[in-house]
Amino acid sequence: DGGITQSPKYLFRKEGQNVTLSCEQNLNHDAMYWYRQDPGQGLRLIYYSQIVNDFQKGDIAEGYSVSREKKESFPLTVTSAQKNPTAFYLCASKASPGYYGYTFGSGTRLTVV
Amino acid sequence: QKEVEQNSGPLSVPEGAIASLNCTYSDRGSQSFFWYRQYSGKSPELIMFIYSNGDKEDGRFTAQLNKASQYVSLLIRDSQPSDSATYLCVTRGYQKVTFGIGTKLQVIP
Repeated sequence: DGGITQSPKYLFRKEGQNVTLSCEQNLNHDAMYWYRQDPGQGLRLIYYSQIVNDFQKGDIAEGYSVSREKKESFPLTVTSAQKNPTAFYLCASKASPGYYGYTFGSGTRLTVV
Repeated sequence: QKEVEQNSGPLSVPEGAIASLNCTYSDRGSQSFFWYRQYSGKSPELIMFIYSNGDKEDGRFTAQLNKASQYVSLLIRDSQPSDSATYLCVTRGYQKVTFGIGTKLQVIP
């Protein structure tokens, strides 16, 4: 079955540590996205990529980095520069940037300890 | 003013009733509108989209759009306890997708 796989499901980060969240899709989708979800706020876009080897900053890119070396993979690194990283992180994809509707992964819940 | 406004709820309805979820948006350039359902601790899943004024029906779900009033709604007929979730209203304009905070729906058996 096609879908998006995010791992790990839960992740704990110590102060000053970089962590990487994995996102893999086998839907053959061109566009991939990273969103952050906090209580009482709508999903906010961190980064997106419409094609391999190209990505763009979203609304809240500071403290995050991404890569898109393969069509299937779009990992997100939360760096120590992100001062408030505790959140639910969602990876999504679309068949093309204009295609209606996202397919979301199951999410990674990141907590700073 | 938020770009996409939703009442966070909770909205409580008895089983079998019609649940009405509402959303207003500020960007008149918004072209298409989506409703996602998100169960607690899970990821959102797309249940409806609409881009023309009027109603669009799919099973127990009806999406309604009024671009003049910048208003979009989702009706759930014969509500079931399994419909209890948070419903996210999402707009897509020119190169921008905006999520509302979601309305929490509780269907009481």
